[in-house]
Amino acid sequence: AQRVTQPEKLLSVFKGAPVELKCNYSYSGSPELFWYVQYSRQRLQLLLRHISRESIKGFTADLNKGETSFHLKKPFAQEEDSAMYYCALSKSYNTDKLIFGTGTRLQVFP
Amino acid sequence: EPEVTQTPSHQVTQMGQEVILRCVPISNHLYFYWYRQILGQKVEFLVSFYNNEISEKSEIFDDQFSVERPDGSNFTLKIRSTKLEDSAMYFCASSEGISTEAFFGQGTRLTVV
Repeated sequence: AQRVTQPEKLLSVFKGAPVELKCNYSYSGSPELFWYVQYSRQRLQLLLRHISRESIKGFTADLNKGETSFHLKKPFAQEEDSAMYYCALSKSYNTDKLIFGTGTRLQVFP
Repeated sequence: EPEVTQTPSHQVTQMGQEVILRCVPISNHLYFYWYRQILGQKVEFLVSFYNNEISEKSEIFDDQFSVERPDGSNFTLKIRSTKLEDSAMYFCASSEGISTEAFFGQGTRLTVV
């Protein structure tokens, strides 16, 4: 069965520190991986997806099929990055449902 | 910027009652979804809807649940005979096509008492 694991419920860093939010998945096929973000009192929104290979708001994520990971990284955290981050998986064909991890709350202190 | 709109933002209902959660997806989107998040747990897929029919549903989405697109703009989730364990945040989402970005609504917090 498909599964997404985010081992950290909370990650606290100081402004300017590097950030890595971990995400591991289990799926026997070729998944699509996403990171969604939810800022305080706002809706879930897509941050980035692995197929686009973009850097959004300074965040990057590389799909590592060998380690079945899709960790989210940012070299220098900003206070406005404080939010809930969800890793999600979709089977890459014929389906549109997202399978979410439990989320990691990122707190960036000044 | 177009948004997915959900109403109400909070619904309190008595156990055993029926509730209807409403969503207005983005107007040119063709795929619609409901997800739920029980407090402290992960966001879980309930159902996807395309071309006026359910395209996929999870094991959570049993006979107690139904979805409808009654008038070409609204997308509703009906929960019959609500149970305490139905208390959760329910998110509606829509997308232009399969494997395109899903846009989420703000959610409806359902509290069953």
